[in-house]
Amino acid sequence: DAMVIQNPRYQVTQFGKPVTLSCSQTLNHNVMYWYQQKSSQAPKLLFHYYDKDFNNEADTPDNFQSRRPNTSFCFLDIRSPGLGDAAMYLCATSRAGTGGFQETQYFGPGTRLLVL
Amino acid sequence: GNSVTQMEGPVTLSEEAFLTINCTYTATGYPSLFWYVQYPGEGLQLLLKATKADDKGSNKGFEATYRKETTSFHLEKGSVQVSDSAVYFCALSGRGATNKLIFGTGTLLAVQP
Repeated sequence: DAMVIQNPRYQVTQFGKPVTLSCSQTLNHNVMYWYQQKSSQAPKLLFHYYDKDFNNEADTPDNFQSRRPNTSFCFLDIRSPGLGDAAMYLCATSRAGTGGFQETQYFGPGTRLLVL
Repeated sequence: GNSVTQMEGPVTLSEEAFLTINCTYTATGYPSLFWYVQYPGEGLQLLLKATKADDKGSNKGFEATYRKETTSFHLEKGSVQVSDSAVYFCALSGRGATNKLIFGTGTLLAVQP
């Protein structure tokens, strides 16, 4: 089945130690998104890629970076994790909208990040 | 700007009860509307969607109708089950290639046997 895969499901890192979360997709979608979701809150968009074009949200901290080496993979890099970065990180994909319509976003299962 | 307001939870129901979770939106133009469901410890799953006024989205017994006149997209189910216990997010997106999803705050539904 076509899907969005995130590994690992749980990640533990130390304060200040760089960490990378990964996302892959078999849907062949050209748009990939990264969201941060803190406990009991709605997901918050960090950035997205439209093909190779990177689009950062204005309020995303510089500590968060992303790479997309090919259509299938996208990585979230947290350069110096703080305690406040502990959260669920969700990857989503979609086709680019056409004719003015927004295509549905499909989410992976998420990676829960714990910062010690 | 665009925004979504949904009823606060938790909503606690007995099995087989009728469910309504209210969702209203503010948007320019004609957004697409979505309901996503998140089970404990999982990512978001698309439950249903509607892309134009008067469209009804439906899936797994859940329904929601895109009401432009009241700017609403209320989620309903006639008979809930324990397995429906989850957090439900209403969301909208504007028109365009990659317009982002705007989520409501989520509503926790707890269904008791």
